[in-house]
Amino acid sequence: QSVLTQPPSVSGAPGQRVTISCSGTNSNIGAGYDVHWYRQLPGTAPKLLIFGNNRPSGVPDRFSGSKSGTSGSLAITGLQAEDEADYYCQSYDSTLTGWVFGGGTKLTVL
Amino acid sequence: QVQLQESGPGLVKPSETLSLSCTASGDSITNYNWDWIRQPPGKGLEWIGYMYSNGKTNYNPSLKSRVTISVDTSKTQLSLTLSSVTAADTAKYYCARRRGWLSPLEYWGQGTLVTVS
Repeated sequence: QSVLTQPPSVSGAPGQRVTISCSGTNSNIGAGYDVHWYRQLPGTAPKLLIFGNNRPSGVPDRFSGSKSGTSGSLAITGLQAEDEADYYCQSYDSTLTGWVFGGGTKLTVL
Repeated sequence: QVQLQESGPGLVKPSETLSLSCTASGDSITNYNWDWIRQPPGKGLEWIGYMYSNGKTNYNPSLKSRVTISVDTSKTQLSLTLSSVTAADTAKYYCARRRGWLSPLEYWGQGTLVTVS
């Protein structure tokens, strides 16, 4: 049981916009800690996709992150086949004094 | 180009101690903050613990009694030990690097699969 809650799966057609939610509590996202997002392709290590509301160099602006209250959200616009992957959210938890992750969301491009 | 590489035995017997190393090319271990993360087959990510550049460590409460993160005396490798392992500890283990306290995990190793059997 993950501390942060994500939908197990989302899907969308090429070109569409999808969002992935990440629900936390007042000891993590609700306490003001940033939400980071990682993308994991099969058999590979997770890779940083979004940190807070920012993108690392090389990540297209089709990807964006936001936060409101105790939840964070990852939005992907102009969906492409190559976006098929597992996506994980992460935040800091002041009760655990460490990182917490979401359970991951599998994105399928129809 | 930062490259991280985990290494260690791929098979550990139940009740024994799992020991892994993480080598970073391109920079000193002691200049950054480090985390160990694991991922059971087909499941999500679990934070194991961290070591800051000042040597401070903190561990996931669910693992705290069994885990130790340290830097070897040559300060070229990060180490993870997990004692009294069970089948539930079977996972791919990753080391990851971050800059500051709340910075994201910017660089990850490729991971090493450890099976407890």
